[in-house]
Amino acid sequence: DGGITQSPKYLFRKEGQNVTLSCEQNLNHDAMYWYRQDPGQGLRLIYYSQIVNDFQKGDIAEGYSVSREKKESFPLTVTSAQKNPTAFYLCASSIRSGPYEQYFGPGTRLTVT
Amino acid sequence: GESVGLHLPTLSVQEGDNSIINCAYSNSASDYFIWYKQESGKGPQFIIDIRSNMDKRQGQRVTVLLNKTVKHLSLQIAATQPGDSAVYFCAEISNTGGFKTIFGAGTRLFVKA
Repeated sequence: DGGITQSPKYLFRKEGQNVTLSCEQNLNHDAMYWYRQDPGQGLRLIYYSQIVNDFQKGDIAEGYSVSREKKESFPLTVTSAQKNPTAFYLCASSIRSGPYEQYFGPGTRLTVT
Repeated sequence: GESVGLHLPTLSVQEGDNSIINCAYSNSASDYFIWYKQESGKGPQFIIDIRSNMDKRQGQRVTVLLNKTVKHLSLQIAATQPGDSAVYFCAEISNTGGFKTIFGAGTRLFVKA
């Protein structure tokens, strides 16, 4: 089955630790995205990548980092510099950047205490 | 600190009734619009899309209406079912200095049996 997967579903970390969230897609999509969702709010763009080895900051990139070494994979690292890291993180992909539907993964709920 | 809104606009309808969910979009240059459905703890799923050269598009039990004059988008769900209970997001995509997707805050739909 084609799709986009995120792991783990739930993640718990202590404050001050970096943590990496996994995102993999087998849809052969060029573009991939990371969003953050807080309770009762819409999606806010953290980073996006239009092609392998290239990525751009979104609206709330501070405290996060990404890499895009393979077309299928777009991991997100939440660093200790992120002030409020507890949130629901969603990864998405689309055929390419542009007026196209984004396919979302199931999300990772990160709790930092 | 960051302000987090905990209360989404909510629409409560009786099973079998029609639902209308509204969205005001922000950019008059947006040329592609999507409605997504997000069930609790899951990633958003595509429902229906519409391009700016159309004012209406119909799917199975859903209709999207676009009014560019007032920058308004609506999603109509016919014969609403309990499985339709979810948060619904509109998204607008524009090509102003690179494609950008902006998501609305969402509307929570409750369907009463």
